[in-house]
Amino acid sequence: GENVEQHPSTLSVQEGDSAVIKCTYSDSASNYFPWYKQELGKGPQLIIDIRSNVGEKKDQRIAVTLNKTAKHFSLHITETQPEDSAVYFCAASILGYSTLTFGKGTMLLVSP
Amino acid sequence: GAGVSQSPSNKVTEKGKDVELRCDPISGHTALYWYRQSLGQGLEFLIYFQGNSAPDKSGLPSDRFSAERTGGSVSTLTIQRTQQEDSAVYLCASSRLAGAGEQYFGPGTRLTVT
Repeated sequence: GENVEQHPSTLSVQEGDSAVIKCTYSDSASNYFPWYKQELGKGPQLIIDIRSNVGEKKDQRIAVTLNKTAKHFSLHITETQPEDSAVYFCAASILGYSTLTFGKGTMLLVSP
Repeated sequence: GAGVSQSPSNKVTEKGKDVELRCDPISGHTALYWYRQSLGQGLEFLIYFQGNSAPDKSGLPSDRFSAERTGGSVSTLTIQRTQQEDSAVYLCASSRLAGAGEQYFGPGTRLTVT
């Protein structure tokens, strides 16, 4: 089955800095890679996703890149703000055939 | 519109008791998922319902865990003879289409087994 590794487990940045979270996956058939943000006491919320037919996707301050050859994908947050502080999870799946396999999460702390 | 709702939000139970956790998915979503999240851990897949197909139970950790989905909508996760290691947040998610894609999560039920 699929295995997703996520690094780092914790990340502290100053407000305004950029933050990068990286994930690797094992199943070359995986073609869907979402990122979720989980705030304290809440369920995870989808913030951006990418499919294997593209290499990069942006949405305002967040972007995701995908390297299919190396089987890794990354989340980039620019101009971080304190409200970006949360736990971020990456995941991978084969659309239409499998459920999501999640990484163990990254706790991002943005200090004012 | 209404999102995924779960009840109760918190449940404290004694070891050995049975518990039922409820999930109301987004209306019209055909797929429903249950996950378990232990302290500081990622999301562990438990079970997946898709329409009228047989559920994917491959993630259930033991035969003390079961789930059903009635009428293609509401789902109940049942844990029998609870153990302390069952303490976790149980999350439910739904998606419009089968096989993952965009999953929308509920707020979770925090289960504490004393």
